[in-house]
Amino acid sequence: KAGVTQTPRYLIKTRGQQVTLSCSPISGHRSVSWYQQTPGQGLQFLFEYFSETQRNKGNFPGRFSGRQFSNSRSEMNVSTLELGDSALYLCASSLARLAGENEQYFGPGTRLTVT
Amino acid sequence: AQSVTQLGSHVSVSEGALVLLRCNYSSSVPPYLFWYVQYPNQGLQLLLKYTTGATLVKGINGFEAEFKKSETSFHLTKPSAHMSDAAEYFCAVIQSFTSYGKLTFGQGTILTVHP
Repeated sequence: KAGVTQTPRYLIKTRGQQVTLSCSPISGHRSVSWYQQTPGQGLQFLFEYFSETQRNKGNFPGRFSGRQFSNSRSEMNVSTLELGDSALYLCASSLARLAGENEQYFGPGTRLTVT
Repeated sequence: AQSVTQLGSHVSVSEGALVLLRCNYSSSVPPYLFWYVQYPNQGLQLLLKYTTGATLVKGINGFEAEFKKSETSFHLTKPSAHMSDAAEYFCAVIQSFTSYGKLTFGQGTILTVHP
């Protein structure tokens, strides 16, 4: 079974631009979560989608948004990029029908650099 | 609020020695606990998880962890370290039955294995 895939793997953007990252979950997984990883703040939860609905959201500004499609693929968007948005963005998928099925499987991440 | 504390940002062991990575959580309800490993320039890989049942959990690559409710701990151990175990390890928790998709991570412990 194919794992979680993320595209692109690397991205360089300029301050003020916007960016869209894509995530394809493991087949059959309907939950997709997004995380930001930085050396200073570590791994922080952005949001989670299940069956096209956002169920949970972390403490990030409104510039960070996401969506999920009917095939469970997910995208996250960051508008008006700031230097501090430079990070590794990780996507994870899970079955998540029940709380005990919350083991998440992570993709390789998208490394975003904002200059 | 749920939090996870990993004691020691860096741990160094000799090849063949015991590996012990410490994790403590704060929670007023039974948590779901996980250990993940991250190799350079890669995503996170699930090592093991505790949801309910047996408190000693065995994972991949010879790792195991014991859930101790009285000590609010979930330490990760491996009897004999291999060079390939060198990586960063994260303890994570899901705080409630409705916190779908939202992992809260510790700050990580970098494991170095010396020949």
